[in-house]
Amino acid sequence: EIVLTQSPATLSLSPGERATLSCRASQSVSGYLAWYQQKPGQAPSLLIYDASNRATGIPARFSGSGSGTDFTLTISSLEPEDFAVYYCQQRYNGLTFGGGTRVEI
Amino acid sequence: QVQLVQSGAEVKKPGASVEVSCQASGYTFTSYHVHWVRQAPGQGLEWLGIINPNTGSTSYAQKFQGRVTMTRDTSTSTVYLEVSSLRSEDTAVYYCARDRATHNGDYYMDVWGKGTTVTVSS
Repeated sequence: EIVLTQSPATLSLSPGERATLSCRASQSVSGYLAWYQQKPGQAPSLLIYDASNRATGIPARFSGSGSGTDFTLTISSLEPEDFAVYYCQQRYNGLTFGGGTRVEI
Repeated sequence: QVQLVQSGAEVKKPGASVEVSCQASGYTFTSYHVHWVRQAPGQGLEWLGIINPNTGSTSYAQKFQGRVTMTRDTSTSTVYLEVSSLRSEDTAVYYCARDRATHNGDYYMDVWGKGTTVTVSS
């Protein structure tokens, strides 16, 4: 099973700051990686798929990069509604999620 | 609008089975695979498997092989998840989620149900 390790576990930032979240795979997943956002009491929502493609309706401040084993989700300027938990997910071999990064104020 | 409506919360005893339903609307039911994902209290996301509503074919995560069953009813655009031999560790919110791509799917999930809480307690 491919293990995805997200870091940091918690990111403490202020509105307007840049957020950089990392996801590392235990083996290459090529570019088959997605990012999801989950707010308290809600289902996750798709942000990025295939490492760098924004899902429908996702603002341009969200961007994804990386390939192989190292991936990054960047939020260029945090809005109040961006404080949430973010998960990465691979679909290269089976389907697994990372443990999540909480972005908090 | 595209939506997935899940059944209500369940409380079950250890060893019992539970069935959760997920009714799709706003799109062609047979064109998109549906995933099941669960989330234990305060924990991350765990994938259970996927069903092709067109053919009924399924693929389950190895961990859940033999203990989960996914089915569908095309007449009502509903998919079902059954989990058997429940134990306390199965206490979680269970989500259904539509695959992003039509027909063969790409194993990303773009529309999610609101979740069904399943509590396993004696």
